[in-house]
Amino acid sequence: NAGVTQTPKFQVLKTGQSMTLQCAQDMNHEYMSWYRQDPGMGLRLIHYSVGAGITDQGEVPNGYNVSRSTTEDFPLRLLSAAPSQTSVYFCASSFRGRVGEKLFFGSGTQLSVL
Amino acid sequence: KQEVTQIPAALSVPEGENLVLNCSFTDSAIYNLQWFRQDPGKGLTSLLLIQSSQREQTSGRLNASLDKSSGRSTLYIAASQPGDSATYLCAVPAGVDTGFQKLVFGTGTRLLVSP
Repeated sequence: NAGVTQTPKFQVLKTGQSMTLQCAQDMNHEYMSWYRQDPGMGLRLIHYSVGAGITDQGEVPNGYNVSRSTTEDFPLRLLSAAPSQTSVYFCASSFRGRVGEKLFFGSGTQLSVL
Repeated sequence: KQEVTQIPAALSVPEGENLVLNCSFTDSAIYNLQWFRQDPGKGLTSLLLIQSSQREQTSGRLNASLDKSSGRSTLYIAASQPGDSATYLCAVPAGVDTGFQKLVFGTGTRLLVSP
């Protein structure tokens, strides 16, 4: 099982550029989410999805878009990159609606915006 | 708004010591609490999940306890090994009306176990 796969692992952007961070899972999980991790601030939820065609905002959604056309994929789009978006991004998934379900994480994408 | 705090931020111990990591949360109305491990440059791995109705969970040398009324959880690591060196994070759902999987994370405790 591949679990949760994120690509790319590293990316450098210039201010104003756009890009898409890819996330795919092969566990048939309904729930998928994106977090960013910054030093001293822990992980913060950007966007999440409870199933194909359904997305919602998390704590820090500004500057990011998501879509969920399939159960497997949940890409995160940066519309116009800013230095404040320099961070490590993690995608996570789990079964939905079960109290005892653990969250599975990808290995992360380290993004630098110059 | 749920907030999660972890103390200490960093901990350095010699191999073989038993140790306790602390996690506190402000809203005691939680469904569960998870402890994660994060190795440098890697993603998070869920270690233990305690349901709100449980007081503790055990996995090997790890034991996690939960006291909802006081808003605290502890992760006990017995007979620590150098391979336990990592950052340990705790997380709880953001709120009872926001679903089980929207988590609020602490900033973690960075553990170094020396041979």
